[in-house]
This record gives sequence, C-alpha cells and structure tokens, in this order.
Amino acid sequence: EAGVTQSPTHLIKTRGQQATLRCSPISGHTSVYWYQQALGLGLQFLLWYDEGEERNRGNFPPRFSGRQFPNYSSELNVNALELEDSALYLCASSPGTGFQPQHFGDGTRLSIL
Amino acid sequence: AQSVAQPEDQVNVAEGNPLTVKCTYSVSGNPYLFWYVQYPNRGLQFLLKYITGDNLVKGSYGFEAEFNKSQTSFHLKKPSALVSDSALYFCAVRDDSSASKIIFGSGTRLSIRP
Repeated sequence: EAGVTQSPTHLIKTRGQQATLRCSPISGHTSVYWYQQALGLGLQFLLWYDEGEERNRGNFPPRFSGRQFPNYSSELNVNALELEDSALYLCASSPGTGFQPQHFGDGTRLSIL
Repeated sequence: AQSVAQPEDQVNVAEGNPLTVKCTYSVSGNPYLFWYVQYPNRGLQFLLKYITGDNLVKGSYGFEAEFNKSQTSFHLKKPSALVSDSALYFCAVRDDSSASKIIFGSGTRLSIRP
C-alpha cells in the first residue's frame, strides 16, 4: 500500500511569490490534513478537507488556502510569501472524518529567501 | 476548547532503562488520544491510540501508554529503552464531535544514551 506522498520535497521561493504544495492521500482515505512545522517546533494545524469540503481551519491568514480534488488529493497554496512561512509542511490522511489515526507524508520543505 | 500539553521539551534516558514521556490533555467531551514519533527529515509515524476500553494501550516498537481519566493524562512508556528510540514524540488529542480537529502537543525530544 502506497503511503501519503507529497511534492515537491523541497521548494525555494522569494518573498512575495506564491507556492503550491501537493498531497496524495492513501488510497481509500477521504480526509486530508495540512500542518506547518517550523524548525524545532511543534505542528500547527492549517486545514482539514474531507470529501472535497473544508471541515476545519487553523489560525492562519487567508493567504493560506487549499482545496481537495474529486480523487481526494489536495493542494495547499500560500500567497504573498513571507520569510516566516519557511517551514516543513506536512500532509496527513485518514479514512472518514478523523477518528482514526492520521498517516503522514514526509513533507515539503519550503524555504523563503 | 481542547488542548494538550507535553511538559518536558527533552527526556534523557540510558539504554536499557525504562522511559516515560508525559502528556496531559483537556477536552470537553470524550477524548481520543494518540502518540506519534518523528525521525529527522521525516513525517510523523503513528505509535498507538486510545479510543475506549482498557486504560493500558499497547502500540508499535514495544511502546505502551496509560490513559488516566482522573489525571487527564496519557503518558507514553517503554520498559527498556533502545538507542534507536531517540526521536521527537508527539501526543495528540481530539474530542468526539464530528468537526473536531486533532491538536498536537509541542513535542518531546527523547534521547537515549548508550
């Protein structure tokens, strides 16, 4: 069984640019979650999608947005990039509405120059 | 509002000794509790969960956790630590409402010395 896959592995941008991160969940999983992990810190919840709908959102500005496609894959878009957006962005998936454990990808390392 | 606390940033243990990584939580309804481990440059890996039932939950790699409702704790334990257990450990909690998201603790770095 293929795990959660994220692309790209690394992404380098400059301030003010836009970044798109992609996530493919485990086959059969309908929920996708996005987290931000700044260096040496814990996970900050960004977004939760299930069956194509946004179920919950963390305390992030509107320039962080995303969507879930009919095949349950997901995109995270970050507009007007700022230096403090540099972090590891983790995607996770789970079956249903999240009472089961989440399975994580290895993340996209976003660096803002 | 739900929350989870990991009071220790770092835990140091000698190989072969028992280890405990602490976690306390707060939820408005029934708690669903999880432990994850993160190795360098990797995503989180699921270790174990408590949904309901026995208070002692057994998980991967010889880890176990004890759910204590009165103390609102869910400490991670292992009887005999291995050097390969050195990693970052996260406790997570959600309540039983359908729209509830999972909240992760700040993480505890476990270091096992040979």
